Amino acid sequence: DGGITQSPKYLFRKEGQNVTLSCEQNLNHDAMYWYRQDPGQGLRLIYYSQIVNDFQKGDIAEGYSVSREKKESFPLTVTSAQKNPTAFYLCASSIQDLSLGNEQFFGPGTRLTVL
Amino acid sequence: QKEVEQNSGPLSVPEGAIASLNCTYSDRGSQSFFWYRQYSGKSPELIMFIYSNGDKEDGRFTAQLNKASQYVSLLIRDSQPSDSATYLCAAPLGSARQLTFGSGTQLTVLP
Repeated sequence: DGGITQSPKYLFRKEGQNVTLSCEQNLNHDAMYWYRQDPGQGLRLIYYSQIVNDFQKGDIAEGYSVSREKKESFPLTVTSAQKNPTAFYLCASSIQDLSLGNEQFFGPGTRLTVL
Repeated sequence: QKEVEQNSGPLSVPEGAIASLNCTYSDRGSQSFFWYRQYSGKSPELIMFIYSNGDKEDGRFTAQLNKASQYVSLLIRDSQPSDSATYLCAAPLGSARQLTFGSGTQLTVLP
């Protein structure tokens, strides 16, 4: 089955720790995205990547880092510089051009909680 | 800053009624719009895409786009309790390579 997987489903972080969220897709999509969702809020873009070895900051990149060494993988690191990381994190992928209805597919999400 | 705005609700309708969800956008050049449904604790799933002015129907769902008013809506006919979810409007504002999402409207369909 084609799709997007994220792990872990739940993650607990202590103050001052860096943690990495995994995202893998087998849809052969060039573009991948990371979003953050807070309770009762929409999705805010953290980082996105249109091609391997290239990525761009979204609206709320501070305190986060990413890499795109393989087409299938786009891990997100939440660093200790992110002061309020407790949120639901969603990874997505798509064909590059979204203007003609190309769907952005989402993974099941990772719920991160700071202890 | 380019934006997509939605009434966050919550919106409650009785079972069998028509639910109307609305979205406005700031980029007059936007051509296409997506409606996603998100159940509590789950990831969003695409339910409708609309590109041209007018209406697009898919089963019980109808999307309406009015580019002159910069307004897009989603109608759900014969609403069912299983339609209870948050509905997110999204558009590739200013770029065809990323989506801007509204804050979502929480819909509750009462049995």
